[in-house]
Amino acid sequence: DTTVKQNPRYKLARVGKPVNLICSQTMNHDTMYWYQKKPNQAPKLLLFYYDKILNREADTFEKFQSSRPNNSFCSLYIGSAGLEYSAMYLCASSRLGGRGEQYFGPGTRLTVL
Amino acid sequence: GEQVEQLPSILRVQERSSASINCTYENSASNYFPWYKQEPGENPKLIIDIRSNMERKQIQGLIVLLDKKAKRFSLHITDTQPADSAMYFCAAMNTGYQNFYFGKGTSLTVIP
Repeated sequence: DTTVKQNPRYKLARVGKPVNLICSQTMNHDTMYWYQKKPNQAPKLLLFYYDKILNREADTFEKFQSSRPNNSFCSLYIGSAGLEYSAMYLCASSRLGGRGEQYFGPGTRLTVL
Repeated sequence: GEQVEQLPSILRVQERSSASINCTYENSASNYFPWYKQEPGENPKLIIDIRSNMERKQIQGLIVLLDKKAKRFSLHITDTQPADSAMYFCAAMNTGYQNFYFGKGTSLTVIP
């Protein structure tokens, strides 16, 4: 099974409320990524886990949290959603030392009202 | 500036003609350059990639070229079909650091 799953597919949130998005894969990939995609913009890397080590991009460091309780699951957590968080959130996984190919999930469309 | 610039953002071609998408990157340490195709409602899917030790790669009707000196790479779709209509993303990666930067995407429409 080479699929990456994301839940939920659509999420509606209120300004100031927390949001938790879930990603899972069963390919035993050691690295999992989260991207934010807004219309007419490139997917933007937010953070990635290599095994248990979390790497966050400098400009999104304080806005997003993540956890990876085991190899298969990775979450993206927004403590207090703002209108600017409305976007598609894409999860991907890959295997270090492999070709670098990333497998993407279908995305979660987050709308903050 | 953007780590990866992708042009054009919109591309319309006649069926059976060629389509070309160009990307430039900033980080000279980038060594892996994948191309993804995303159809409406679907995940982005890898269609072809090239590593920095190659200048050209072809898989059937897909050709990728890499010019490391110019920090430029391109995707060429020959003999386009309506089924090639989709969003295409280029990306550049340094596999040592796993930083992965996408272009903004090209919306390709192949007109029957």
